[in-house]
Amino acid sequence: QKEVEQNSGPLSVPEGAIASLNCTYSDRGSQSFFWYRQYSGKSPELIMFIYSNGDKEDGRFTAQLNKASQYVSLLIRDSQPSDSATYLCAVTWGAQKLVFGQGTRLTINP
Amino acid sequence: ETGVTQSPTHLIKTRGQQVTLRCSSQSGHNTVSWYQQALGQGPQFIFQYYREEENGRGNFPPRFSGLQFPNYSSELNVNALELDDSALYLCASSRDITGELFFGEGSRLTVL
Repeated sequence: QKEVEQNSGPLSVPEGAIASLNCTYSDRGSQSFFWYRQYSGKSPELIMFIYSNGDKEDGRFTAQLNKASQYVSLLIRDSQPSDSATYLCAVTWGAQKLVFGQGTRLTINP
Repeated sequence: ETGVTQSPTHLIKTRGQQVTLRCSSQSGHNTVSWYQQALGQGPQFIFQYYREEENGRGNFPPRFSGLQFPNYSSELNVNALELDDSALYLCASSRDITGELFFGEGSRLTVL
């Protein structure tokens, strides 16, 4: 079983709609969860992190964590064409290692 | 801009050669992590350096080695290059071993 799994997509969403990105992880001891956005040819940039069960909102982005189900998600409201990118879920693994999923490619259609 | 700089940005090598990639960490950061990202994949953890010592390693063979210098900059060395080593190599610095990662723009290595 992969440590962090994401649906690789591509996920296509119309402009103005909600994009929902999902991630599952295998290590029950993981404590920190991150969402990175990566534009084509660029490096990942952090957009959200979450440590506790529940929802965390930042502007149009909401991260949701359910440790019992080992599930973390990212919702993007009012999707814009500039949100088109690959979204990487990352989970801490031990004290020093951040493990990434394979990424979900999101396309927002005008 | 994250303040993390990597060099070179692109390079082409042939199989069997050796390569050195360099990373300057953000000011105030003492930890550097290196990742390999193949096309269409997520970044894979290679190793982490904290205060000049290796502090964790992923599933990479010994021909992947590294260094961290007193100013916390870092090098990644890869010996006996193989075709599958072609990838984007990302360096990320952080304030400490559990801190938020700030990525450089990466070094794209092509092995022919």
